[in-house]
Amino acid sequence: SQTIHQWPATLVQPVGSPLSLECTVEGTSNPNLYWYRQAAGRGLQLLFYSVGIGQISSEVPQNLSASRPQDRQFILSSKKLLLSDSGFYLCAWSGSWGGYEQYFGPGTRLTVT
Amino acid sequence: AQSVAQPEDQVNVAEGNPLTVKCTYSVSGNPYLFWYVQYPNRGLQFLLKYITGDNLVKGSYGFEAEFNKSQTSFHLKKPSALVSDSALYFCAVETGSTLGRLYFGRGTQLTVWP
Repeated sequence: SQTIHQWPATLVQPVGSPLSLECTVEGTSNPNLYWYRQAAGRGLQLLFYSVGIGQISSEVPQNLSASRPQDRQFILSSKKLLLSDSGFYLCAWSGSWGGYEQYFGPGTRLTVT
Repeated sequence: AQSVAQPEDQVNVAEGNPLTVKCTYSVSGNPYLFWYVQYPNRGLQFLLKYITGDNLVKGSYGFEAEFNKSQTSFHLKKPSALVSDSALYFCAVETGSTLGRLYFGRGTQLTVWP
């Protein structure tokens, strides 16, 4: 069966520090991968998605970037964190698109102080 | 532009009563519709989806949803609510022009009291 991992689970970082969040998927190959941010426990905002190694699409211009160095690894990064980057970050994968459900990881709670 | 509306921020029902969580959508083209549930500080869990065919879709934990094309709605229902159903519920849509990108509603907090 497929599983998705995210780490760390929680993170407290000062403003201006770098960020690296990691997501890995097991039990499938060539998944579509997604990064979402959820603010204030409500709506999800799609940040990045990837259909293959090195292929990243950005939905919203911002202080963040994403990379996919391996087929089942997706990394969210920032060079300098802002207070507004605080939130709950969720990684997801799907087998394809056109009606395929996405499966979400457990999330990372980021607090920028 | 694609959008999803969940008109109720909060739904409260008594255990054993039927529940409905509402969702309407606005898309160009045919929609693929999804419901997800989120428990506190957890990721989202897939409940059910509508792709094509029968308008009544059955999913996990006894939930079902009815696709209504004329009313552009996809309401989530359960005949008998459980306290353990209390959680945050999200409706989402994907279309042929947004393949792979899900657009989520703001979520509805469901509370089932004993």
